[in-house]
Order: sequence, then structure tokens, then C-alpha cells
Amino acid sequence: EAQVTQNPRYLITVTGKKLTVTCSQNMNHEYMSWYRQDPGLGLRQIYYSMNVEVTDKGDVPEGYKVSRKEKRNFPLILESPSPNQTSLYFCASNPSGQSNQPQHFGDGTRLSIL
Amino acid sequence: AQKVTQAQTEISVVEKEDVTLDCVYETRDTTYYLFWYKQPPSGELVFLIRRNSFDEQNEISGRYSWNFQKSTSSFNFTITASQVVDSAVYFCALSEPHDFSGGYQKVTFGTGTKLQVIP
Repeated sequence: EAQVTQNPRYLITVTGKKLTVTCSQNMNHEYMSWYRQDPGLGLRQIYYSMNVEVTDKGDVPEGYKVSRKEKRNFPLILESPSPNQTSLYFCASNPSGQSNQPQHFGDGTRLSIL
Repeated sequence: AQKVTQAQTEISVVEKEDVTLDCVYETRDTTYYLFWYKQPPSGELVFLIRRNSFDEQNEISGRYSWNFQKSTSSFNFTITASQVVDSAVYFCALSEPHDFSGGYQKVTFGTGTKLQVIP
């Protein structure tokens, strides 16, 4: 089954404790991205990746890092999480990142930073 | 800069009523795409429809229909004879080539409209 898999689905942690949210897709997509969803703000893009070893900042990249060492994986790293990063996070992919392509989303990761 | 406005934060309707979700966008590009996504209470995001800027034909899929009007920069979504299963948050999104990344997509989402269908 074609899918985007995120882990963990839920995480409660404390300020400053590094964490990684993994994202993996099995559709051989070149383009992957991370979004955060906050009430009243919709989805905002954090980072995106056009291919292996090619990443760029989205609209709200502060406090996040990403890497793309393999085509299928695109982890989101919070080196020193803070409470304002409490949010619902979505990983997404599509074949090549062209404007006409919809996003295939993972099921989301709900992070709570205390 | 691109922008998507979904002015309706929450809508409640009684089952079998028709409901229209509004989406207004701003862009300077002539080539762009518009999308609708559904987020049911379970939380996942599901792609519903895509429209390109050169195709203003309305589209109907079962109880769902979409009205794209370039003159008013709107891409509204109507659910006919709503059902409880339609209860969800609906997002409108605009996609166009990114200014600075070789044409890769720049996607802007609206803030979403939460639809509650009451039995």
C-alpha cells in the first residue's frame, strides 16, 4: 500500500530534550516536506526537500532541522524543543514537487513540549 | 505573495442540508493550481480535488461540487445533502512555482473550515 509513515504518532516531552520525528514514504517520490498545523493558522511548511541531499527552508523553519540522506526518508529534528513547538506535524510527499501535484500526507504526529 | 483565505472558521448544518465552503486566494502568477483537502476527526489529510488556473469549468463528483471563478479569485466547495460523515475540517490550498527554487511548488494553505453536520 502506498503510504507516508510517521513515527511517533504522539509524543510528550520536555523543553530542551532533542527529538526526531521520522518520515518514510514507499512511493519513490522525490519531493518531501514537513508541515505544522496550529489552530487558526492552518498548515505551514517547515522544510522541504526536492531530492536526496537537497533541502530548503519553508515558511517557519526556525528551531527545526531536516536531512535527506535517502530518497524514502525525511526526518524532522528538534535539537532543543520549546513549548512553542507544541503542534500537530505532518510529513508529505509527491512525485516531483511540481505545482500540479497534490500532497500525500502521513497520519500526523502530535507533539507536546512541556 | 500568495494567500488563501477561508473566512468561515466553523459551520454547522443539519443533515441533508446543502453547504458551501468559501475559498478566496491571491496570487500574481498566471499559472497555478488550487486544491481542497479533507481532515476528518481521525486527523489524516485527504486530497479531494485539484484545479488549474486555465480550467474554469465547474466539477461535480457525487454530492461534492466545486465552483472556480477566476474573476473573483474564488474556489468554493459545495456539499449537497450533507451527511454526518462529511463532518471534518476542510482546507483550501494554492500551489504555484516557487520564486527561488527552480520551479518547485510553493504551497499555501488556508486556515481551514470546520464543518459539523448534525444528525
